[in-house]
This record gives sequence, C-alpha cells and structure tokens, in this order.
Amino acid sequence: GAVVSQHPSRVICKSGTSVKIECRSLDFQATTMFWYRQFPKQSLMLMATSNEGSKATYEQGVEKDKFLINHASLTLSTLTVTSAHPEDSSFYICSAPGRSYNEQFFGPGTRLTVL
Amino acid sequence: AQRVTQPEKLLSVFKGAPVELKCNYSYSGSPELFWYVQYSRQRLQLLLRHISRESIKGFTADLNKGETSFHLKKPFAQEEDSAMYYCALFTGGGNKLTFGTGTQLKVEL
Repeated sequence: GAVVSQHPSRVICKSGTSVKIECRSLDFQATTMFWYRQFPKQSLMLMATSNEGSKATYEQGVEKDKFLINHASLTLSTLTVTSAHPEDSSFYICSAPGRSYNEQFFGPGTRLTVL
Repeated sequence: AQRVTQPEKLLSVFKGAPVELKCNYSYSGSPELFWYVQYSRQRLQLLLRHISRESIKGFTADLNKGETSFHLKKPFAQEEDSAMYYCALFTGGGNKLTFGTGTQLKVEL
C-alpha cells in the first residue's frame, strides 16, 4: 500500500527558532498533501492543504506566515514552523490521498516540543 | 459547516462483548464517511468506508442518513481491538477530511 513518511519523528527546539518538518510519499506521487495538528487526546485539526506547484490553502484561523508550507515536488511537502513558541508544541501529521480520491494515507507524525 | 461528533471519549468493554462506537455527522451535502483507527504507537490508518459496505476485522458501519449517524459495530470485541477510533467525513470541496474527536476503545480481559 501507499506509504507516507515524515522527518523528523520528534524535535525539540528553543523558543524563537524555526523548525522544518518533511512529508514524503514514498511509492506514489501526490499533487496534494494535508497537514494536521493533533493535541493530546484530541482530534486531528486540518491546518492546510499543500498543493504541488501552487500556494497552500490554509484553514481558517491558521497563520500563513507562521506555518509555511512548500510543496517542492510530487513526493515532498514541507511544513516550517517559524519563530516557534511553546504554544506551537504539538503533534503534526501529514497525509496524502491515494488512488481513491477520498482515501488518505497518513504519516507517522512529528512531535514538536518548543522550550 | 460540516461537523463530526463522537460523544464517547472512552469506551471500555470486556472481551467477547459487543462494541458500538457512536458517530454523528452534520453536512449539507451527500456524505462520505470513514472510520480510521490508530493503534498504540502506530499511524492513523483507514478501517472502513461506508461506500464499500465492507466488514474489516469484524467491524461494520452503516450510514443512516435519517439519523445522520455512522456508528461502528463489532459483535464480539477482541483484545487487539483496543485503539483510538476516529470517525471522519469527506467533503468533496478541497478533498478534505473532517475528523471527530475520537473514541478510545479499551477491551478488557
């Protein structure tokens, strides 16, 4: 089946620094990828839709300048948390749709901790 | 706006007992619903979708448009069913999934 990877799996950074998270589709191409945020014991909240070759589409309330998304190729999307603060600490998950337009394959997630 | 509601945060049942995880949705269009499962220390993965009308690992779910529900059921719970279950609504515009808050299923021996 389709596999989505994320790197790094966990990262700890100081407040004010920027952190980049990569999402890759390993055995298929994805013109669209999705970025979610998950708080402890809570649901996944869609942050933005990453589009290859064009700008990302952000959900209401998500700061575009804070969460920079770049879909560099058909297999890679990156999320950069700029000037990170402790409140940005969370679990970030990406997904990519498979052949069925309504099925998504999820990455393992990245645990971000901002000190 | 679309919404998915899972009223139970935690559901604890004994092995062999029936399981029903509740899911209700709100959506003005024609709904496409899914159940995703997340086992401990594993990634989220698709369990089943209403369109397929399939049974996966003994689980079934029927879409009831009248009650706007998509409850997940299994007649006899197994220990390996312990996991976090998310109900999700697919909306064609933007190909987005809207997730419920999830239900932690704990199957006790």
